[in-house]
Amino acid sequence: GAVVSQHPSWVICKSGTSVKIECRSLDFQATTMFWYRQFPKQSLMLMATSNEGSKATYEQGVEKDKFLINHASLTLSTLTVTSAHPEDSSFYICSAGPVPETQYFGPGTRLLVL
Amino acid sequence: AQSVTQLGSHVSVSEGALVLLRCNYSSSVPPYLFWYVQYPNQGLQLLLKYTTGATLVKGINGFEAEFKKSETSFHLTKPSAHMSDAAEYFCAVSDLSGGTSYGKLTFGQGTILTVHP
Repeated sequence: GAVVSQHPSWVICKSGTSVKIECRSLDFQATTMFWYRQFPKQSLMLMATSNEGSKATYEQGVEKDKFLINHASLTLSTLTVTSAHPEDSSFYICSAGPVPETQYFGPGTRLLVL
Repeated sequence: AQSVTQLGSHVSVSEGALVLLRCNYSSSVPPYLFWYVQYPNQGLQLLLKYTTGATLVKGINGFEAEFKKSETSFHLTKPSAHMSDAAEYFCAVSDLSGGTSYGKLTFGQGTILTVHP
């Protein structure tokens, strides 16, 4: 149990385009999901908290207009990177849990912006 | 504010040797503590967690960790390393202080474990 999926696993896009990443909880419902970013050889940094039915909460320094988060249902959260630039290239990972106290992670999405 | 410090960004052991990965935390509330493992280009897999109760927790793949409040530590151990244990390990503390980010994790810097034949 407690499986989290992400789609796509890899995406390459041109600078200036937008990219949508999906995070799904497959066997449980989650009112809260988290989005993290991981740069090469670094740890995970929380970007935002996605709350079903309400606006996302962004960490300090994360541009909410650039990283749009929509928690459309109790099993789906999406992260849209708008007008992507090469510096947005990173590994994006989401997490969710049947209870917030224990988080399970998706397999991650590798974004490369050319 | 919470923080996690992992001592040693790289640890190298021989196959069959003891694995010890160190983690110290700072938390203003009783912590929930976690160890995750990450293989290259993959997400994080939960190894074990401490919430309340028994301070020695056992996880998957023969790993265990002991919560020591007096030392604010949560070190990860495995008696005998296997080649398949080579990966990056992250210690994390959960934010249970309330608010809209309840449950968010703060991670340590990670420790890369290398296992030599």
